[in-house]
Amino acid sequence: GENVEQHPSTLSVQEGDSAVIKCTYSDSASNYFPWYKQELGKGPQLIIDIRSNVGEKKDQRIAVTLNKTAKHFSLHITETQPEDSAVYFCAAKGGYQKVTFGTGTKLQVIP
Amino acid sequence: KAGVTQTPRYLIKTRGQQVTLSCSPISGHRSVSWYQQTPGQGLQFLFEYFSETQRNKGNFPGRFSGRQFSNSRSEMNVSTLELGDSALYLCASSLGTGEYEQYFGPGTRLTVT
Repeated sequence: GENVEQHPSTLSVQEGDSAVIKCTYSDSASNYFPWYKQELGKGPQLIIDIRSNVGEKKDQRIAVTLNKTAKHFSLHITETQPEDSAVYFCAAKGGYQKVTFGTGTKLQVIP
Repeated sequence: KAGVTQTPRYLIKTRGQQVTLSCSPISGHRSVSWYQQTPGQGLQFLFEYFSETQRNKGNFPGRFSGRQFSNSRSEMNVSTLELGDSALYLCASSLGTGEYEQYFGPGTRLTVT
């Protein structure tokens, strides 16, 4: 089955700096890669996703890149703000297979 | 459009009891997936239902079961509760079982004593 590895497990950045979270996956059949943000006491919130026919996608301060050959994808957050502090999960899905999640990255933005 | 709702939000049960959790998906969504979230194991997939049929199943014992109704609402049941079942149980809905966006509810926090 699919295996998704996520790094780092914790990340501290100064407000205004950029944050990068990296994930690798094992199943070449995976074509859909969502990212979720989970704040304390809440369910994961879909923040951005990318499909295998696209190499990069941006939404304001958030961007995701995908390298299908190397089987890795990354989340980039620019101009970080304290409200970006949360746990971020990457995930991978192929066809009708289940979604497989990474182990999460706890991001702390220091004011 | 209302989001995914889960009831109850918090639950305390005793070892050996059983519990039923409920999930109402976003209107128009026909697929519902269930996950168990614990600090040590992260987000673990339990099962997925689409059109009242289980489409995918994770690696959990038979004590964990689910069902989906004709209105797409879903329930999951855990029988003979163990201390290790204490977790946040999350429900997520999507339009279908393919590569669709999946939206999560707030979860049900289950504590087994």
